[in-house]
Amino acid sequence: TQLLEQSPQFLSIQEGENLTVYCNSSSVFSSLQWYRQEPGEGPVLLVTVVTGGEVKKLKRLTFQFGDARKDSSLHITAAQPGDTGLYLCAGGTYKYIFGTGTRLKVLA
Amino acid sequence: NAGVTQTPKFRVLKTGQSMTLLCAQDMNHEYMYWYRQDPGMGLRLIHYSVGEGTTAKGEVPDGYNVSRLKKQNFLLGLESAAPSQTSVYFCASSSRTRTSEQFFGPGTRLTVL
Repeated sequence: TQLLEQSPQFLSIQEGENLTVYCNSSSVFSSLQWYRQEPGEGPVLLVTVVTGGEVKKLKRLTFQFGDARKDSSLHITAAQPGDTGLYLCAGGTYKYIFGTGTRLKVLA
Repeated sequence: NAGVTQTPKFRVLKTGQSMTLLCAQDMNHEYMYWYRQDPGMGLRLIHYSVGEGTTAKGEVPDGYNVSRLKKQNFLLGLESAAPSQTSVYFCASSSRTRTSEQFFGPGTRLTVL
């Protein structure tokens, strides 16, 4: 059974700080996706990483896919209150396994 | 375009009652999914469909049934609701490509008393 574990589970930081969220598995995934979910809404895709070692940047967010395609990280630079939400990683091909989630709160 | 819509948004059931959740998408997507989300457990796949008339079991299918009679609709049924099925249910759809984005509906909050 494929599992994706995210850490930390909760994170509360001050505006302007940097943070990293991790998504780890013992299984190899063909691709990994990162989603952000806000209260009362469904998740929204941020990025998809496909190649081992791949790094993608989305403004202040940097996503990395591990060389062995078993793990991924999300780094946020100079966090803002608008980054607050639940961050979910998901792995697979058309049928996805979701991680346990990291709930981020950025305080102004 | 409305994207993915779900009805109802909220529902309260008594143990043993039945209900159907409706998901509709207007993006002509082949794949559709039903997930449940519980605190601390992310999203867990209940059932999914790779095309009209086809369905398959996900991680947690027990107590649920699904049907995909039309490409744009995916129904999730609870025949005899149990308190353990209290959750937020999300429907999603995606196109056929290998790394396709999943588009999610707004969710249905179900409470079983």
